[in-house]
Amino acid sequence: EAQVTQNPRYLITVTGKKLTVTCSQNMNHEYMSWYRQDPGLGLRQIYYSMNVEVTDKGDVPEGYKVSRKEKRNFPLILESPSPNQTSLYFCASRDGTGRDEQFFGPGTRLTVL
Amino acid sequence: GNSVTQMEGPVTLSEEAFLTINCTYTATGYPSLFWYVQYPGEGLQLLLKATKADDKGSNKGFEATYRKETTSFHLEKGSVQVSDSAVYFCALSDRAGGFKTIFGAGTRLFVKA
Repeated sequence: EAQVTQNPRYLITVTGKKLTVTCSQNMNHEYMSWYRQDPGLGLRQIYYSMNVEVTDKGDVPEGYKVSRKEKRNFPLILESPSPNQTSLYFCASRDGTGRDEQFFGPGTRLTVL
Repeated sequence: GNSVTQMEGPVTLSEEAFLTINCTYTATGYPSLFWYVQYPGEGLQLLLKATKADDKGSNKGFEATYRKETTSFHLEKGSVQVSDSAVYFCALSDRAGGFKTIFGAGTRLFVKA
């Protein structure tokens, strides 16, 4: 089954404690993204990757890091989480052409105390 | 830059009512247009898409027509069901924008039995 998986689905942590949210896709897609969803703001792109070892900032990259060492995986790293990073996070992937749909993971709800 | 504007919600309808959710866009190129749906507790999934002017996307009784003259992609359904209750996102992607997907803020739909 074609899918994007994220882990964990729920996470409560404290300010400053480094965390990683994993994302994996089994569709051999080149393009992967991370979004955060906040009420009234829709989805905002954090980082994206066009291929292995190629990443770039989205609209709200501050406080986040990513890496793309393998095509299937695109982890999101919060080196020092802060309460304003409390949000719902989605990983997504698609193939190289922008005409096609993105496939989304189920989401990770993060709370930073 | 590219942008998407969709009507604010929530929209509350009775079962079998007609649904319209307005979406307009601004783009420098010739974008592909999408409607995504997010059911409670889930990630976004593609509902329908249109890749050029005058195309009509359709799925599950929903329709939207790509209107270049009015830069619009309004979502319609003739008879909604309780199971259509969800958040709907209009989105665009185009080559001029590096195929980055831009999402609207989302419109929450409640359908009452």
